[in-house]
Amino acid sequence: DQQVKQNSPSLSVQEGRISILNCDYTNSMFDYFLWYKKYPAEGPTFLISISSIKDKNEDGRFTVFLNKSAKHLSLHIVPSQPGDSAVYFCAASGTSYDKVIFGPGTSLSVIP
Amino acid sequence: KAGVTQTPRYLIKTRGQQVTLSCSPISGHRSVSWYQQTPGQGLQFLFEYFSETQRNKGNFPGRFSGRQFSNSRSEMNVSTLELGDSALYLCASSLRRGQGLTEAFFGQGTRLTVV
Repeated sequence: DQQVKQNSPSLSVQEGRISILNCDYTNSMFDYFLWYKKYPAEGPTFLISISSIKDKNEDGRFTVFLNKSAKHLSLHIVPSQPGDSAVYFCAASGTSYDKVIFGPGTSLSVIP
Repeated sequence: KAGVTQTPRYLIKTRGQQVTLSCSPISGHRSVSWYQQTPGQGLQFLFEYFSETQRNKGNFPGRFSGRQFSNSRSEMNVSTLELGDSALYLCASSLRRGQGLTEAFFGQGTRLTVV
């Protein structure tokens, strides 16, 4: 049973537009959420995180929104750039000491 | 500063064999986590080691095991390989625990193919 779901395996967006990547989770004990980006032939790199006490965290072009009641989070990239083309993984953990559970990933293609 | 080094990068093994993968964390990092990545499944947590002790374990059969040495280098071993073990195995290192992987750095992974 997948505790972290990313229902869109892929997404294509025009350069300059907004990219919205979605993530749903089932475990109500999760209270810490992260997004990772992965290029081919490289390991994932941490992008942005949010704890359950917040509903929004922003870092430059990247913003993560958390809706705890819906058990849903989303990553917004504005404006999207071709270099953002990668696989994005959503991840969650119960506490900072807990194992981190990853979703299956969404492959984002930003078209110039 | 050197990054996380995983060796070998690629490996082909036959069903029934065993394999050992190695991960050298960033110098000074004491926490090492292992993940299995397969298409459609994302990164599945295998185990975490800190100061030579296994601190967390994922839902994998006992054929998957690991260890960490006093210099923080870690190895994972898979015995009696099955075709379904074909995957990219990723190692992540961090300075200490309790960071929820925000300050963890991943290696490039070892691509294991079981034939």
